[in-house]
Amino acid sequence: GQSLEQPSEVTAVEGAIVQINCTYQTSGFYGLSWYQQHDGGAPTFLSYNALDGLEETGRFSSFLSRSDSYGYLLLQELQMKDSASYFCAFISNDYKLSFGAGTTVTVRA
Amino acid sequence: GAVVSQHPSRVICKSGTSVKIECRSLDFQATTMFWYRQFPKKSLMLMATSNEGSKATYEQGVEKDKFLINHASLTLSTLTVTSAHPEDSSFYICSADPGTSGRNEQFFGPGTRLTVL
Repeated sequence: GQSLEQPSEVTAVEGAIVQINCTYQTSGFYGLSWYQQHDGGAPTFLSYNALDGLEETGRFSSFLSRSDSYGYLLLQELQMKDSASYFCAFISNDYKLSFGAGTTVTVRA
Repeated sequence: GAVVSQHPSRVICKSGTSVKIECRSLDFQATTMFWYRQFPKKSLMLMATSNEGSKATYEQGVEKDKFLINHASLTLSTLTVTSAHPEDSSFYICSADPGTSGRNEQFFGPGTRLTVL
C-alpha cells in the first residue's frame, strides 16, 4: 500500500531551525514535494525532490533519500508567518499527489 | 506563477440539493486537473483526476455518481456534489500543473467550503 508518516506538531521560537521528517511507502515513486497551508487557505508549493540530495530555496530546504524512502523539510530563521501546516506529498508514476497528514508548525516569540 | 481560481468560495445548501463548484486555470491551459477534499485539521484526500475531453478517473471509495466531474475546456473543470448530505460538508480544493516549472508543481485553487444543512 501507500503511506506517508510525518510528525503531527512542532513548536519552536522565532529564529530557530525546524526539521520536519517524512517517511513514505509506495510502489511507484516519482518524487517528493512539500506544501505549506495556512488555516483556511490553499496549499502552496515549497519544494520538490526527484533525486537524492538537498534542494535549497531561500530559508527552506528539502532533502530526499530514495534508498531510505525518507525526506525532510528544513525551515531556517523561523518567522511568525511560518506558523502553518506543512505537508509532504509523493508524486507517483501517474503524476498524482498523495499527501501526508501534515505537520502543524507553531512559531512562538 | 500560475493562478487557479475556484467559485464559489463558500456555499451552504440544504440536504438533498446539488452544488456545482468551478475550478478555472486563469493563465494556463490544463488538460488535467485534480479534485481534493479536506476535513478540518486533516490531510488532502485526492478524489478524482479530471481529464479534458474524457471521463474523470476516481480514486477508490469515491462515488462517481455522487461527485460528477466535467472538464469541458482546457481551463475549466466542475465538480457537482449531487444530493448533498451533511457528511459531504467539507473543504473542496482543485489543483492543476501548468507543466512549466519542471518541478511537478501543482497550483491549488483557494478552495470551496461546503456546508450541508
